[in-house]
Amino acid sequence: KAGVTQTPRYLIKTRGQQVTLSCSPISGHRSVSWYQQTPGQGLQFLFEYFSETQRNKGNFPGRFSGRQFSNSRSEMNVSTLELGDSALYLCASSSRGRGSSYEQYFGPGTRLTVT
Amino acid sequence: GESVGLHLPTLSVQEGDNSIINCAYSNSASDYFIWYKQESGKGPQFIIDIRSNMDKRQGQRVTVLLNKTVKHLSLQIAATQPGDSAVYFCAEPGRDDKIIFGKGTRLHILP
Repeated sequence: KAGVTQTPRYLIKTRGQQVTLSCSPISGHRSVSWYQQTPGQGLQFLFEYFSETQRNKGNFPGRFSGRQFSNSRSEMNVSTLELGDSALYLCASSSRGRGSSYEQYFGPGTRLTVT
Repeated sequence: GESVGLHLPTLSVQEGDNSIINCAYSNSASDYFIWYKQESGKGPQFIIDIRSNMDKRQGQRVTVLLNKTVKHLSLQIAATQPGDSAVYFCAEPGRDDKIIFGKGTRLHILP
């Protein structure tokens, strides 16, 4: 089975721009979660989508948004980029419905640098 | 608020020795914990999980111990190998099922 794929792997943007990151989950997985990883804050939950609906959201400003398509692929968007948005953005997929295992499979991440 | 945290940011272990990575949590109602391994340039990889109705769970060369009295869990890696070099995270589902990760412990393997 192919793993979780994320594109692009690396991205350099300027302050004020917007960016869209893409994630393709493992085939058959309907849950996609997004995380931001920085050296200072560690891994922080952004949001989770399940069957095209946002099921959960972390404590990030409204500049961070996402969506999920009918094939379970997901995108996240960050508008009006700030220097502090520089991070590794990780996507994780799982088959879980509520109450089942939390076993998630992570992609390699997209390294976003904001200058 | 809820939190999980690791005691040490870095741990150095001789190859062949056992490694013990510790994690503390704050919510006494927490009932499920997960350990992840993140190698350089990769996303985290699920290692093992444990539910609060267990004190111990074993996998391949790994054992997780849960002490609910002191709200502490540990990951033990037997006969540490160079391939075990990574950052290890403990995590738990917080309120509303949001996964909360600890800061991570970087495991260095000494030759």
